[in-house]
Amino acid sequence: GENVEQHPSTLSVQEGDSAVIKCTYSDSASNYFPWYKQELGKGPQLIIDIRSNVGEKKDQRIAVTLNKTAKHFSLHITETQPEDSAVYFCAAIGTGNQFYFGTGTSLTVIP
Amino acid sequence: EPEVTQTPSHQVTQMGQEVILRCVPISNHLYFYWYRQILGQKVEFLVSFYNNEISEKSEIFDDQFSVERPDGSNFTLKIRSTKLEDSAMYFCARGTGVNYGYTFGSGTRLTVV
Repeated sequence: GENVEQHPSTLSVQEGDSAVIKCTYSDSASNYFPWYKQELGKGPQLIIDIRSNVGEKKDQRIAVTLNKTAKHFSLHITETQPEDSAVYFCAAIGTGNQFYFGTGTSLTVIP
Repeated sequence: EPEVTQTPSHQVTQMGQEVILRCVPISNHLYFYWYRQILGQKVEFLVSFYNNEISEKSEIFDDQFSVERPDGSNFTLKIRSTKLEDSAMYFCARGTGVNYGYTFGSGTRLTVV
């Protein structure tokens, strides 16, 4: 099955700086990669996703890049704000449409 | 109003008891899922449910677990005889199709004592 690795596990940045979270996956057949943000006491919320037919996708301050050859993808948050503080999970789709999640990155944006 | 509502938000049960976790997707979506998240760990897939049938299940989803959509709206996860290690957050989710992101509910925190 799919194995998704995520790092770093914790990340602290100053407000206004950029944050980058990286993930690798093992199954070359995976073709859909969502990113979820989880705030305390809430369920994961989809923030951006990318399909294997594109290398980059951007939505305002959030961007995701995908390198299919190397089997890694990254989340980039620019101009970070305190409300960006949360746990971020990457995921890759497996057979049967279930997601395999990374172990999460706890992002803290310091005002 | 949340798109996926889960009840209860927190349930405490004694080991060996049965629990039923409920999810109301509030939509006509065909794909439903249950995931769990043990404290501090990654979100893990349990089961997917398509067209009122289980389509995939993980190794975690053993004979102690079952899912139903009894009335076409509610989506339930039953754990027949809870164990201490079943303590976790349980999330249901709905999907629009293959290769699309899910909408997760806010979760049920299950504590087995």
